Amino acid sequence: DAKTTQPNSMESNEEEPVHLPCNHSTISGTDYIHWYRQLPSQGPEYVIHGLTSNVNNRMASLAIAEDRKSSTLILHRATLRDAAVYYCIPFGGSARQLTFGSGTQLTVLP
Amino acid sequence: NAGVMQNPRHLVRRRGQEARLRCSPMKGHSHVYWYRQLPEEGLKFMVYLQKENIIDESGMPKERFSAEFPKEGPSILRIQQVVRGDSAAYFCASSRDSKNTEAFFGQGTRLTVV
Repeated sequence: DAKTTQPNSMESNEEEPVHLPCNHSTISGTDYIHWYRQLPSQGPEYVIHGLTSNVNNRMASLAIAEDRKSSTLILHRATLRDAAVYYCIPFGGSARQLTFGSGTQLTVLP
Repeated sequence: NAGVMQNPRHLVRRRGQEARLRCSPMKGHSHVYWYRQLPEEGLKFMVYLQKENIIDESGMPKERFSAEFPKEGPSILRIQQVVRGDSAAYFCASSRDSKNTEAFFGQGTRLTVV
């Protein structure tokens, strides 16, 4: 499985944008880059995924480096409800199941 | 379209008893994944199943644990002769297929062994 590297923790102020980075330099050419988050005492929640092109949905945007060795999850306006652990995970190609690392604990300050 | 349903949400078992955890995938989803999260730890993959088949059980403990996903009905994670160390949150996820698709998680079953 491809190894991912994320900061252990990040802080953001409410209403400001947040950029969560992830390195996945050994990702296979067929794996998509998935992002999930886990709020306290809840199951993981799908956020977004992409292969090569940048992606947008109602929750977030995903910016993928041209060489696919890194990506950035962008929350355009952080809210207190976005406080969670965020995971980037290669999946859907050679990776047949989601392998969760330690993720990034995002703290949103009021 | 209901999400992934897991039941029970909370389960208490005495040491030596059996625990059965159920997972009903989202409608149209034929792939199911089970994960375990020990207190204050990360999510660990256990097993990946498609209808009637185990695809990858590399994360399953060798003894006491089994999983199935029958043609009809929910997926079942079965833990025989539970021990205190089995106390954890067990999450199930489902997806439509294994390529270019998101997985959706249930709210989990919190197993407490007393």
